[in-house]
Amino acid sequence: LAKTTQPISMDSYEGQEVNITCSHNNIATNDYITWYQQFPSQGPRFIIQGYKTKVTNEVASLFIPADRKSSTLSLPRVSLSDTAVYYCLVGDGKAGTALIFGKGTTLSVSS
Amino acid sequence: EAGVTQFPSHSVIEKGQTVTLRCDPISGHDNLYWYRRVMGKEIKFLLHFVKESKQDESGMPNNRFLAERTGGTYSTLKVQPAELEDSGVYFCASSQEGTGNTGELFFGEGSRLTVL
Repeated sequence: LAKTTQPISMDSYEGQEVNITCSHNNIATNDYITWYQQFPSQGPRFIIQGYKTKVTNEVASLFIPADRKSSTLSLPRVSLSDTAVYYCLVGDGKAGTALIFGKGTTLSVSS
Repeated sequence: EAGVTQFPSHSVIEKGQTVTLRCDPISGHDNLYWYRRVMGKEIKFLLHFVKESKQDESGMPNNRFLAERTGGTYSTLKVQPAELEDSGVYFCASSQEGTGNTGELFFGEGSRLTVL
């Protein structure tokens, strides 16, 4: 499975847009890029998944350049409740595939 | 619809004792996974069930860990005998089978194990 690299931590203020970039230089043709969010004392929660270009849902946007060697999770107008660890994962995106977690990015949002 | 539930939420045992963790996946989910995170480390994959069969158990650390999923519904993860390094949070996740979905994993809130 492709290894991912993300910043260990990021700081932001309420109302700002936060962009977390993940590198995955060895991504395979069949791999999708998936982001999970984890709050303290909870299990990870799916945020968004994409294969190429841009994907947007009610929570976030995911930008994937043409070479797919990186991706950027964009959180619009963060609030204090967005303080969490964000994981970037790469895999074939199919049901039945175990996810491999990296260290994640700890996002701290302040008022 | 109920999510993935895990029991107990926290267990404190002494080294050498036995602990059994239970996971109830979302109804209808054939895939069930166990993960764990030990202090300061990454979330590590332990094993994957498809219904009652072990699809991948490459992440199981040693033979002190035994996972079962009789009947393809709930699963148990037994640690016997427990060692200090087994302390951590054990997460269970489940997902649907079939095409056309994202392969999204639904995680439980975890069972925290403390071995003294």
